[in-house]
Amino acid sequence: SQKIEQNSEALNIQEGKTATLTCNYTNYSPAYLQWYRQDPGRGPVFLLLIRENEKEKRKERLKVTFDTTLKQSLFHITASQPADSATYLCALDAMGGTNAGKSTFGDGTTLTVKP
Amino acid sequence: NAGVTQTPKFRVLKTGQSMTLLCAQDMNHEYMYWYRQDPGMGLRLIHYSVGEGTTAKGEVPDGYNVSRLKKQNFLLGLESAAPSQTSVYFCASSYSSDSLRTQYFGPGTRLTVL
Repeated sequence: SQKIEQNSEALNIQEGKTATLTCNYTNYSPAYLQWYRQDPGRGPVFLLLIRENEKEKRKERLKVTFDTTLKQSLFHITASQPADSATYLCALDAMGGTNAGKSTFGDGTTLTVKP
Repeated sequence: NAGVTQTPKFRVLKTGQSMTLLCAQDMNHEYMYWYRQDPGMGLRLIHYSVGEGTTAKGEVPDGYNVSRLKKQNFLLGLESAAPSQTSVYFCASSYSSDSLRTQYFGPGTRLTVL
């Protein structure tokens, strides 16, 4: 069966360091992968999308990589700040067929950035 | 531009009661989704719709029904609530184009079934 795993439930780092979150998947051939941020009591908010034929995407302090051979995506936050503390979700999307319109989400990793 | 709104924000039901959750979006999105999120877990897809008048089952559809009579609204119904349906429910919407599939989420409805 399809499975998505995000590295750990919680990640604690010091302010200024780079946070690296992992999303691994099995039995899945995603067309693209998305990363979302979720703050307590709120709905997820989109951050970045990367397609299967792209290796890397950047947006300000955020960087996402996608390795379809390893079946893994890495999400990096450089120069992390306490305001980056949140839960980060990865989501995989297949394209077309019976999976059209459906995303599968990982359980999320809760990042805490300490001052 | 309100984005995605959900009604109500909180609700407490007794076992066996019924209720309808309303989701509305003003972005002219074709696709709409209902998810549930339980503590420490990710989002699990309940039902979704790829257009007005069409719905499809997601990962955990049992005990729920949906309707999409208008493009901007997506209703989630619980006919006979059970304690196992205690959860936070999120609605989302997106464009249909594969290049624009980013989902926009509502603020959530916190449901408790006693």
